[in-house]
Amino acid sequence: AQSVTQLDSHVSVSEGTPVLLRCNYSSSYSPSLFWYVQHPNKGLQLLLKYTSAATLVKGINGFEAEFKKSETSFHLTKPSAHMSDAAEYFCVVTPSGAGSYQLTFGKGTKLSVIP
Amino acid sequence: DADVTQTPRNRITKTGKRIMLECSQTKGHDRMYWYRQDPGLGLRLIYYSFDVKDINKGEISDGYSVSRQAQAKFSLSLESAIPNQTALYFCATSEVTGTSGIYEQFFGPGTRLTVL
Repeated sequence: AQSVTQLDSHVSVSEGTPVLLRCNYSSSYSPSLFWYVQHPNKGLQLLLKYTSAATLVKGINGFEAEFKKSETSFHLTKPSAHMSDAAEYFCVVTPSGAGSYQLTFGKGTKLSVIP
Repeated sequence: DADVTQTPRNRITKTGKRIMLECSQTKGHDRMYWYRQDPGLGLRLIYYSFDVKDINKGEISDGYSVSRQAQAKFSLSLESAIPNQTALYFCATSEVTGTSGIYEQFFGPGTRLTVL
């Protein structure tokens, strides 16, 4: 069994300030983790993925996430928010290996960026 | 051109009508998926297909059916639409990524369906 909890449904930051979107997971298996972003009226785009290689994962558009097994967390960060980052972000967990088509999505965090 | 396309992009229909949502992909992936997204609930899996002859129910398949007409095409049908099927529907495809065995999924732009 696996589950994802995104701790904030809505985060608001000022442009140029750091972004932190929090995600905790639960998985019976060694997990793989993803962050997807959904801009208004768009499909989902993969930001980054953790697949047991390096615990600090770098993604597109300056985003990073750190896998912390002891805390069962995979928080998404960015040093400086840009207006174009305003979107909804989904944390996703899946078992590694044969079961890895079974994506479990968090409920999403909507990021607002204030000019 | 987009790798994963969905038609229509928007649809308004009435209760009891039959509706088909279509998905096509040019990525050459074997695996295809249908999800629905409801506000505050994330995405939930409706059906998935590992190849043309392999179709499986997902978490919320009741009220839906699918057809995998070819490797590149995967259709979702609502035989008799009801208002609580109003949602945003996404198609996705996947293949194995690298040596990790991780099936990264690629999503279409979505179909917004409203059932009155």
